[in-house]
Amino acid sequence: AQSVAQPEDQVNVAEGNPLTVKCTYSVSGNPYLFWYVQYPNRGLQFLLKYITGDNLVKGSYGFEAEFNKSQTSFHLKKPSALVSDSALYFCAVRDPRGSTLGRLYFGRGTQLTVWP
Amino acid sequence: GAVVSQHPSRVICKSGTSVKIECRSLDFQATTMFWYRQFPKQSLMLMATSNEGSKATYEQGVEKDKFLINHASLTLSTLTVTSAHPEDSSFYICSARFPTGASTDTQYFGPGTRLTVL
Repeated sequence: AQSVAQPEDQVNVAEGNPLTVKCTYSVSGNPYLFWYVQYPNRGLQFLLKYITGDNLVKGSYGFEAEFNKSQTSFHLKKPSALVSDSALYFCAVRDPRGSTLGRLYFGRGTQLTVWP
Repeated sequence: GAVVSQHPSRVICKSGTSVKIECRSLDFQATTMFWYRQFPKQSLMLMATSNEGSKATYEQGVEKDKFLINHASLTLSTLTVTSAHPEDSSFYICSARFPTGASTDTQYFGPGTRLTVL
């Protein structure tokens, strides 16, 4: 069965410092992995995805994520955090076999707070 | 590109009434749309998968007769909460699968609808 774990409910970081939001996954076969961000009372915004190829994926707003197959992880990173990055971040995995019409399995979310 | 809208953004209704929520893909055609429910500070719970021209596929535990889904066109899916009760109050979010023709399609999400049932 497919699943995603975000081990941290909350991540706090000072503005200008690097940030990491952790995600590990469990899926049969090669995973398709996604990161989304949600601001209060809003839908999810797509940040980036890993399908194949280079393990380091660059996305929107300066975010990047590193796919690590041996550790089954897909951590989200940013070299220098901004206060405006404060939001709820979701990691998701998709069943690559297509039988489930592309449904995503979401982690429980990590609240990122960047203080000035 | 890849914009998904939802309407209304917020709705308050009386217990027993029905509420319809629309999800539209504005600049692409989506054969598959998804409906999620989100409780405060929790993850998204997939309710159903909506396919244009066919019946929706509901997740286990989701009442088909209570949450009616219609995907009548390639740009519109609707979720109707019938005979709403206070426990149906939640944040409902739709997403649309951007059809690149590959299994690597990305889902794009609407802004959500806040439903409050009094």
